[in-house]
Formats: sequence, structure tokens, C-alpha cells
Amino acid sequence: GAVVSQHPSRVICKSGTSVKIECRSLDFQATTMFWYRQFPKQSLMLMATSNEGSKATYEQGVEKDKFLINHASLTLSTLTVTSAHPEDSSFYICSATLTATLEQYFGPGTRLTVT
Amino acid sequence: AQSVSQHNHHVILSEAASLELGCNYSYGGTVNLFWYVQYPGQHLQLLLKYFSGDPLVKGIKGFEAEFIKSKFSFNLRKPSVQWSDTAEYFCAFKAAGNKLTFGGGTRVLVKP
Repeated sequence: GAVVSQHPSRVICKSGTSVKIECRSLDFQATTMFWYRQFPKQSLMLMATSNEGSKATYEQGVEKDKFLINHASLTLSTLTVTSAHPEDSSFYICSATLTATLEQYFGPGTRLTVT
Repeated sequence: AQSVSQHNHHVILSEAASLELGCNYSYGGTVNLFWYVQYPGQHLQLLLKYFSGDPLVKGIKGFEAEFIKSKFSFNLRKPSVQWSDTAEYFCAFKAAGNKLTFGGGTRVLVKP
């Protein structure tokens, strides 16, 4: 089946620094990837839609200058949390869409802790 | 605004008991409906989906769901749960475009 990986799985950073999270579709090409944020004991909230070769589409309330998304190839999208603050601590999950079926496959998530 | 509501936040039951998780969505048009499962420490996996046709959909691991259009519901069922079904279950739907809207999730604990 289609596999999506994320790296790193966990990261701790200091307030004010930037952190990059990678999302890769390992055995398929994905023109569209999605980035979600999951708060403890809550559901997934869509942050943005990442389209290969074009700008990401951000959901209302998500700061595009803070959460930089780059989808430079059909197998890789990156999310950079810039000038991270403790309130950015969360579980970030990506998904990649298999073009043939439009089904989304989810990565294992990245737990970000900002101290 | 489109949304998904899951009725139960937590469900505790014993092995062999039957499970039904409620899901209602709010959207006036055509939707695709999904149930995802997240086992402890693992990523989201698709249990089943409904696009069109037979409103009773069978998924993996003995799960099924029924789409009732008049009730805007897509409840998940399993006749006899196992300890390994302990997980968090998310209902989701997709309207126009490819964006998924998730419900709040239901944590299911199956006691051995």
C-alpha cells in the first residue's frame, strides 16, 4: 500500500528558533499533500493544502508566514515552523493524495515541543 | 459551515460486545464519507469509505458503516469487538475539492 513518512518523529526546539518537518510519499507521487495539526485529545485540524509546484493554500486562521510550506517535488512537502513559540507545540500530521484514487494516506506524525 | 459531529468522546466496553459509533455531518451537497482509526502510537488508517452506491459499506477488520442520507449520518458498527480494537476513531467527510473535515474523534477502550 501507499506509505507516507515524516521526519523527524519528535523534535524539541527552543523558543524563537525554526523547525522543518518533512513529509514524503515513499512509493507514489502526490501532487497534493495536506498538513494537519492535532491538539491533545482533539481532532485533526487542516492547516494547509500543499500543491506541487505552486503556493500552498492555507486555512482560515493559519499564519502563512509562520508555517511555511514547500512542495518542491511530487514526493516531498516540507512544513517549517518559523520563530516557534511554546503554543506551537503540537502533533503535526501530513497526508498525501494518491492521484488515481484521490485517497489520502497519512504520515505517522511529528511531535513538536517548543521550550 | 461544514462540520462533522461524533456523539461519543469515550466508549468503554468489554470484548465481544457490539460497538456503534455515531457520526453526523453538516453539508447540503454530495459528500464522500470516511472512517479512520488511529491505534495507540500509530498513524491514521482508513477503515472504510462511502462514495456512492450501496449505503451499507463494509471495511477492514469486521467494521461496517451505514450512510443514511436523510439523517446526514454515517454510523460505524462492529458486532463483536476485540481488545485490539482499542483505538481512536475519526469520522470524516469530503465535499467539493479534496479537503477532509474530521470529527472530534471517539476513544474506544476494549477491556479484555
